[in-house]
Amino acid sequence: DQQVKQNSPSLSVQEGRISILNCDYTNSMFDYFLWYKKYPAEGPTFLISISSIKDKNEDGRFTVFLNKSAKHLSLHIVPSQPGDSAVYFCAASLGNQFYFGTGTSLTVIP
Amino acid sequence: KAGVTQTPRYLIKTRGQQVTLSCSPISGHRSVSWYQQTPGQGLQFLFEYFSETQRNKGNFPGRFSGRQFSNSRSEMNVSTLELGDSALYLCASSLTGTQVTQYFGPGTRLLVL
Repeated sequence: DQQVKQNSPSLSVQEGRISILNCDYTNSMFDYFLWYKKYPAEGPTFLISISSIKDKNEDGRFTVFLNKSAKHLSLHIVPSQPGDSAVYFCAASLGNQFYFGTGTSLTVIP
Repeated sequence: KAGVTQTPRYLIKTRGQQVTLSCSPISGHRSVSWYQQTPGQGLQFLFEYFSETQRNKGNFPGRFSGRQFSNSRSEMNVSTLELGDSALYLCASSLTGTQVTQYFGPGTRLLVL
């Protein structure tokens, strides 16, 4: 049973515009939520995280929003750049175990 | 510091064979987790080791096993390979496993024919 879901396998955005990647989860006990970015032939790299007690965390062009009542989180990238083109995974942690979504492939068009 | 390293990077095996993959964590990191990535399934958690002890295990058959050595290096073994075991196997390390951030290696691409 997939506890973390990314329902959009792909997303295309024009350079300079906002990219919004979405993620839904089922377990209300998750304590942290994370976003990872993955380029081909490389392992995922950590991007940004948010504690379950917060609803927003910002780091430069990246902002993560958490809506606990809807069990939904999103990653906003503003402005989007061609170098942001990659696969983005959301993940949730329960203690020292992590659950990952299936990924969304973002393409930023120059 | 050197990052997480995984060997080999690519591997081709046939059904019924067994395989061992290796992961060297970042120096000082004591927790190592293993994941299987297949198209459409995302990253599926296999197991996590800390100080040579398996702390968590995902929902995989007993053909998948692992171990961790005193220097925190970890190995993962898959016996009696099946075609469905073809995947990218990723390992990730963190200081104690309770940190939010895990650092991933580049993965081992396993193809089972």
